[in-house]
Order: sequence, then structure tokens, then C-alpha cells
Amino acid sequence: QSALTQSASVSGSPGQTITISCTGTNSDIGRYDYVSWYQQHPGRAPKLLIYDVRNRPSGASRRFSGSKSGNTAFLTISGLQPEDEADYFCSSYTTTNTLIFAGGTKLTVL
Amino acid sequence: EVQLVESGGGLVKSGGSLRLSCAASGFTFSSYAMNWVRQVPGKGPEWVSFISRSSNYIEYAESVKGRFTISRDNAKNSVSLQMNSLRAEDTAVYYCARLERDSVVIPAYGMDVWGQGTTVTVSS
Repeated sequence: QSALTQSASVSGSPGQTITISCTGTNSDIGRYDYVSWYQQHPGRAPKLLIYDVRNRPSGASRRFSGSKSGNTAFLTISGLQPEDEADYFCSSYTTTNTLIFAGGTKLTVL
Repeated sequence: EVQLVESGGGLVKSGGSLRLSCAASGFTFSSYAMNWVRQVPGKGPEWVSFISRSSNYIEYAESVKGRFTISRDNAKNSVSLQMNSLRAEDTAVYYCARLERDSVVIPAYGMDVWGQGTTVTVSS
């Protein structure tokens, strides 16, 4: 099972809205609504932002939202803030009963 | 406070073994399935293994199948990863993580609690 695909980097100014995409196949993202998104600051463990495509865990900011279309999932961050500068990873359950991640997108807040 | 603390990482030669442990506190450990996830600095995470709350359901990534063994002790609130026949490509930070809902039997779900990670370095 190959890893999911994300663009390497994205940038935005404070207050803007950006979207990060995560592309898989019909054996993972396209098959199940088990997509999660994580935020990771340098030297820290990943933090869950979104699960089951669009659900936020308690404590996650409403500025983060998730969606999916076909084999691609999306993370949208609205009202960008300096503290949003981090790496973002998506993951998906697969038809081989495994979990796969993407290589990550580095978000720069200008 | 809900917390996971990993231990057992270190430097080992290729072909060697290590046992990682993860101590849980602040929640009912026996109700939750657990994952081990590893990450090479600067790269995306890689899922390694899953164990259900009762240990009845266990899954491994192909890259570690036959070499790694996951187990848990609910009485001691801990999950372990026995790593044998280690290779240079197993070098990474290893995290244990809790799945965000209880009583699950597949590794499909988000992980809402993570440890701080323990570093494994395999020299060739």
C-alpha cells in the first residue's frame, strides 16, 4: 500500500483561509470515511485535528475543518494564525486493514 | 491528566532486539485500542501495529510483520512492542497512541492521545 500524497508546502497570511489536499486511491480514502488529520509542531508528537473525514475531537479549534471528494480529502484552515505554522499529515484506513499516512505538508504563515 | 509515556528506545546493532513500553495513565486503559506509530524526523509518520482492548485483534504493517510483536497488560496499564531482527530502516521515533474511540477492533480511527516518543537507532 503506497503512502497518501500531499503537497510539500503551502503558505498563507494571517487571517486567510488555506486548504491542504490529501490524495489516495479507491482502496483507502475513496473506500472509507476513516480519514484523519494531524498537526505537528517541531519536536512534538502529532495532535489530532480531524477524524472520520470531518469530525473534530474535543478541544480542536473550529477553524479546522475536513471534507472529502472521491479519492481526495481536504483540510481547511480558516482565519490563519501564526501558531498554525506546523506540519500537517493525513491518514486513512485501507482495504488491507492497515493505516497509511501521507508525507506531510509544511504550512508557513507569512 | 491523560498521558502516555514511552520507554525502551536506544541504540542497537542491525539484527538486534529492543522492547519498547508505553505506560498509560489518566484514563481507563482497558477500554481503548492502541497503535504504535513511528516517524523518521522530517518524514511522515508510519503506522506500525494495532492491538484491540482485549488483545483479540492485532495487526501489523507489512514492513514489520514477522519481526515485531505487540502486546498489552491491562492490569499494568501498559502496551509493549517487541522488536526483533532490527534493520537500519527501523530507525525512527516510536510513538504509542490511543485510538479516539473505545472498543474498536480495526486500526481505522484517529489517535487522540500520543506519547512523547522514544528514539530507536539501528546501526548497520
